[in-house]
Amino acid sequence: GENVGLHLPTLSVQEGDNSIINCAYSNSASDYFIWYKQESGKGPQFIIDIRSNMDKRQGQRVTVLLNKTVKHLSLQIAATQPGDSAVYFCAENWGRNAGNMLTFGGGTRLMVKP
Amino acid sequence: DGGITQSPKYLFRKEGQNVTLSCEQNLNHDAMYWYRQDPGQGLRLIYYSQIVNDFQKGDIAEGYSVSREKKESFPLTVTSAQKNPTAFYLCASSLGGNQPQHFGDGTRLSIL
Repeated sequence: GENVGLHLPTLSVQEGDNSIINCAYSNSASDYFIWYKQESGKGPQFIIDIRSNMDKRQGQRVTVLLNKTVKHLSLQIAATQPGDSAVYFCAENWGRNAGNMLTFGGGTRLMVKP
Repeated sequence: DGGITQSPKYLFRKEGQNVTLSCEQNLNHDAMYWYRQDPGQGLRLIYYSQIVNDFQKGDIAEGYSVSREKKESFPLTVTSAQKNPTAFYLCASSLGGNQPQHFGDGTRLSIL
């Protein structure tokens, strides 16, 4: 899509397989993390969030894992479907300016092959 | 339906012209944000407002201005001082604190 990166890291998976999208975050003080999905020509859509007092959280077909030791976040999508094809962004909140300030990663493009 | 509405979807700017992008939310959120998205990059924060009649600069505020006269509205003006305005602009709102930001569907700004 024209509003997302042309040179994003790309993950290509077969329909029905599980997908794992990884994100390395930058600030050890971050206490809140979000995954967003962005389809071409649209704004980011909230998928799932997790707070730093947890290491795993599950939603519908999605699981987020947080490893604070190595500052790593992952999004697992079960039974990936063609509609999951999009760019996925992680975002962290480290309380910048005492507000809800998110810092976004560069994004990963997920392509689902039928 | 509750949500965030951005308009217009596409906008063209002439040299030396200021343009204003609209963002309206009916989610009763206190906090609102403007981001810029360029190809190959994530979202970068332009301005944010945590409450009516107050706003703060983000990481890339130069060449932009905002106002927050009403809780539901947070318009962004791209001034002639912004020399590289071509981008996808996204507005978001949240309850504040550790709550997710919810986004509109963006405005694509191009130069004529």
